[in-house]
Amino acid sequence: SAVISQKPSRDICQRGTSLTIQCQVDSQVTMMFWYRQQPGQSLTLIATANQGSEATYESGFVIDKFPISRPNLTFSTLTVSNMSPEDSSIYLCSVGMGNYGYTFGSGTRLTVV
Amino acid sequence: DQQVKQNSPSLSVQEGRISILNCDYTNSMFDYFLWYKKYPAEGPTFLISISSIKDKNEDGRFTVFLNKSAKHLSLHIVPSQPGDSAVYFCAAREDSNYQLIWGAGTKLIIKP
Repeated sequence: SAVISQKPSRDICQRGTSLTIQCQVDSQVTMMFWYRQQPGQSLTLIATANQGSEATYESGFVIDKFPISRPNLTFSTLTVSNMSPEDSSIYLCSVGMGNYGYTFGSGTRLTVV
Repeated sequence: DQQVKQNSPSLSVQEGRISILNCDYTNSMFDYFLWYKKYPAEGPTFLISISSIKDKNEDGRFTVFLNKSAKHLSLHIVPSQPGDSAVYFCAAREDSNYQLIWGAGTKLIIKP
């Protein structure tokens, strides 16, 4: 299965600032996903990162707040913009591996103060 | 609207005994189900899956059972080992949609 390098692993940020999270995959993959896991909650899909086109966002998530880049088939970034304490979560990138499941990065634990 | 539910936030089991984690779903269009395991400070790791055309899938100490009529699946771990202590997520998918719908997770604690 693919190996994903996600960074930073954690950060503490001031409200009103932005943080960009990076995911690097060791092989070319078609589908990359960005998830959020709020404390005590299940994983929620933010968007699907599409190579060469705009990301596809799920209900409740917008591009202005969570801009995503996907410049090639091995790399993607998620930016959390104009952060507030409510954005404190674990952010995870994932790649689809068909019927063998999905592989996840190690996550970014974000705390907004 | 929670389409995938894990009603037990935590479960404590003695080492060597069987651990049974449960998951219920509401969407009859789900045709593929997956279990993931998550350690602190790590991303979820794929554990085992089952297609809706089956009622059982086994992989070593892990067995997943699917009861379509009850819209219920369960993960059995036997024998339970200390390294099994983690959060277990149930997820489901419609064939036409790559998006996974996740349960809230069950924290499994294996007592020595």
